[in-house]
This record gives sequence, C-alpha cells and structure tokens, in this order.
Amino acid sequence: EAGVAQSPRYKIIEKRQSVAFWCNPISGHATLYWYQQILGQGPKLLIQFQNNGVVDDSQLPKDRFSAERLKGVDSTLKIQPAKLEDSAVYLCASSRRHGVGTTYEQYFGPGTRLTVT
Amino acid sequence: AQTVTQSQPEMSVQEAETVTLSCTYDTSENNYYLFWYKQPPSRQMILVIRQEAYKQQNATENRFSVNFQKAAKSFSLKISDSQLGDTAMYFCAFMSDKLSFGAGTTVTVRA
Repeated sequence: EAGVAQSPRYKIIEKRQSVAFWCNPISGHATLYWYQQILGQGPKLLIQFQNNGVVDDSQLPKDRFSAERLKGVDSTLKIQPAKLEDSAVYLCASSRRHGVGTTYEQYFGPGTRLTVT
Repeated sequence: AQTVTQSQPEMSVQEAETVTLSCTYDTSENNYYLFWYKQPPSRQMILVIRQEAYKQQNATENRFSVNFQKAAKSFSLKISDSQLGDTAMYFCAFMSDKLSFGAGTTVTVRA
C-alpha cells in the first residue's frame, strides 16, 4: 500500500510570511496526526484528527497555527505568520483507528523541513 | 503528562556487535503501550518494536528485543548483530491517549 505522502519536502520562508503543508494519509486510515520535530528533539504532537473532527489540539499554537482535514482524508497545516522558532520538521502520521484501550501503529510520512529566516 | 527520558544522546557500536539503548518513562497509568522508532537521515520514522504494558513477555523482532521492567518504568532496546543500516536516531515513545517521544539516541554502526 502507498505510504503517507507529504509536500513540500523542503520550504524556506522569511519570518512573518505564511506557509502551508499538505498531507495525504494511507487509504482507509481514520486518524491523522501532525507533529513538530525541532532539531535534536523528539516529535511533539500538534494536532490529532479522527476522520474530520479534532481529537486533540492542546499543543497547537492557535494564534498562528491552523489545521484542517476536510472530508476526513487529506489535511493541511498552516502557519501564519511564521516565527524563527517555527523552524523544524513537520511530520504527518496516520493510523487505522485510535481509541481508549486500543492503539494502532502510526505510519509516518517523510516530513517537511521548514526553515524560517 | 507523561515524560520519556533517553539518557544516552549518542551510542557507537562495531558492526556485528550488540548495543543497548536505555529509556525510562513516568506515568501513573496502568495500561499503555511502548514503542521504539527508528529515524534514519532520510527522516522517515519507522516502527522497530512495540510492547503492551499488560504483557509480561518482552517483545522481540528479529535482531531487536526489549527489556521491559514495568515496576521500574524502564524500556530498553537491544540491537544484536548490528548492521550498517541500523545507523539512525532511535526514539523511545509512550502511548496512552497520545504518543510522547523521548529526545532520541543517535546510533552509529562502525564498519
């Protein structure tokens, strides 16, 4: 089966500009995640979708970050306006289902490396 | 909030030798999952091995095995017969309601 697709792979922008990342999960996966991975650190969950509903966005900086998953398939993560500290790799992952008492393996995409200058 | 600690920033091992990566975590929950992920320079995060907390038997996947000590909240990964392709960043991760990662250990396999 095809893996999680992300684009672009690399993006360089100036601070205060806006940027958007796209993710296409594995077909049939109901749950989609966006992670931020700062250099030298482990990924940190930004937002989790179950189908097209938000399950957890407690660590999403909502004053500048937004995400949507229209129709419960593809997802877009946007940053507006970007700050220097947003420089990181943004990883998208998907899984078949997520619920209390069960867990399914999360499959990760190749990530988008964002550099804010 | 759960915290995951990987105390070894870097490890180096000779090809065909064995290396063990340490991981400890902090939680008050009884039911959870633990994972080791591998992230090579290409950045693709790949699941290496998983352990359900309710299982006492340690998980094994080919050359990869874990030592799960629930009371000590310890979850170490052993890589046996190391290969050059094992060179990567390894992340320990804890999951109950969401996945929390440690800071990672860079493993370099020397020829």
